[in-house]
Amino acid sequence: DVKVTQSSRYLVKRTGEKVFLECVQDMDHENMFWYRQDPGLGLRLIYFSYDVKMKEKGDIPEGYSVSREKKERFSLILESASTNQTSMYLCASSLPGINEKLFFGSGTQLSVL
Amino acid sequence: QQQVKQSPQSLIVQKGGISIINCAYENTAFDYFPWYQQFPGKGPALLIAIRPDVSEKKEGRFTISFNKSAKQFSLHIMDSQPGDSATYFCAASGYALNFGKGTSLLVTP
Repeated sequence: DVKVTQSSRYLVKRTGEKVFLECVQDMDHENMFWYRQDPGLGLRLIYFSYDVKMKEKGDIPEGYSVSREKKERFSLILESASTNQTSMYLCASSLPGINEKLFFGSGTQLSVL
Repeated sequence: QQQVKQSPQSLIVQKGGISIINCAYENTAFDYFPWYQQFPGKGPALLIAIRPDVSEKKEGRFTISFNKSAKQFSLHIMDSQPGDSATYFCAASGYALNFGKGTSLLVTP
């Protein structure tokens, strides 16, 4: 089975801190994604990557950046955390092709105080 | 701007009943329509998916009905069970998956 592992289940940070959310997948998938999930808003795409060192903006990239130095690892960076970035962050991976099944991690619940 | 509109936001169904969740989209370029199921504390997982050249797809108790002309699709859960209680997301594929806002389903015993 594909495993997508997110480094932290819960994270509490202070406003203005630089925050790193890490995601690792073990199935050699080319595609990786970061979504945030908020009650009543569903899943919104922040960034995605179709290859190492490649990144594309999703629907809500403002305030975020990403890094993909190795195929299996995709990091989400909050340059200066703000309270409106308090959310559940979900990482996902898939095989090449936009219609492929997404495999999600269990999520990181980030609270910015 | 939400590209996929999902309703209802929440749904309560008795055990053995039929659960119906509806979604609508605008972009005719979308060509893949999956449904994801999410249990508390877990990430979403693919449940069933359909392509627009098919009007219906059934997998066990789960059926997707697709109406291309109306740009609508729906998930039907037959003989709903308490174990089906979860959040369901419809999605449509553009350059990446666009998700609906989700439906929280509760199946009562």
